[in-house]
Amino acid sequence: KAGVTQTPRYLIKTRGQQVTLSCSPISGHRSVSWYQQTPGQGLQFLFEYFSETQRNKGNFPGRFSGRQFSNSRSEMNVSTLELGDSALYLCASSPRADYDYGYTFGSGTRLTVV
Amino acid sequence: AQTVTQSQPEMSVQEAETVTLSCTYDTSESDYYLFWYKQPPSRQMILVIRQEAYKQQNATENRFSVNFQKAAKSFSLKISDSQLGDAAMYFCAYGPTAGGTSYGKLTFGQGTILTVHP
Repeated sequence: KAGVTQTPRYLIKTRGQQVTLSCSPISGHRSVSWYQQTPGQGLQFLFEYFSETQRNKGNFPGRFSGRQFSNSRSEMNVSTLELGDSALYLCASSPRADYDYGYTFGSGTRLTVV
Repeated sequence: AQTVTQSQPEMSVQEAETVTLSCTYDTSESDYYLFWYKQPPSRQMILVIRQEAYKQQNATENRFSVNFQKAAKSFSLKISDSQLGDAAMYFCAYGPTAGGTSYGKLTFGQGTILTVHP
């Protein structure tokens, strides 16, 4: 069974540009969450989607947005990139709207803003 | 807001020995989940163990077990018979369940780097 797939694995962007990251959850999983991981702030919750609906959003500026498609694949977009957006972005999926199965994480996308 | 604290930035253990990683959390909720995740250099977060707050019995998964003290809001991870492959960053995480709309929003601690010496 394929795991959570995140693409691309590495990305270098210039300040002011925008970027789109992709996450394909495990087949059958309907909940997808996104996290930002930095050495200074650790792991911070960005947002969570279930059946194409955003149910939760973390404390990030409006430049960070996301969506989920009918096949449960999710994308997150960051507009007007800043140097501080450099981070590892992790996606996680779960089959149901609860924690019985925990969340399975992908290997992340390493975004570097120069 | 919920907070999770891991007071040990780094820990080390000899192969085959036992090590305990500490985690405390703060919440006003009575029902929630707690997790330990492992992140090796490959970056992928791997679920080690999960505990439901309303269950008194401590969770165990092979060599991994937890000591869950709800009143003290403490959730420590014990790794027995440590192996070289256990070396990684370990994160404690809190998952709320209140209202049915808080799923997916895990709060993580700052992590503990575990080194295993042969």
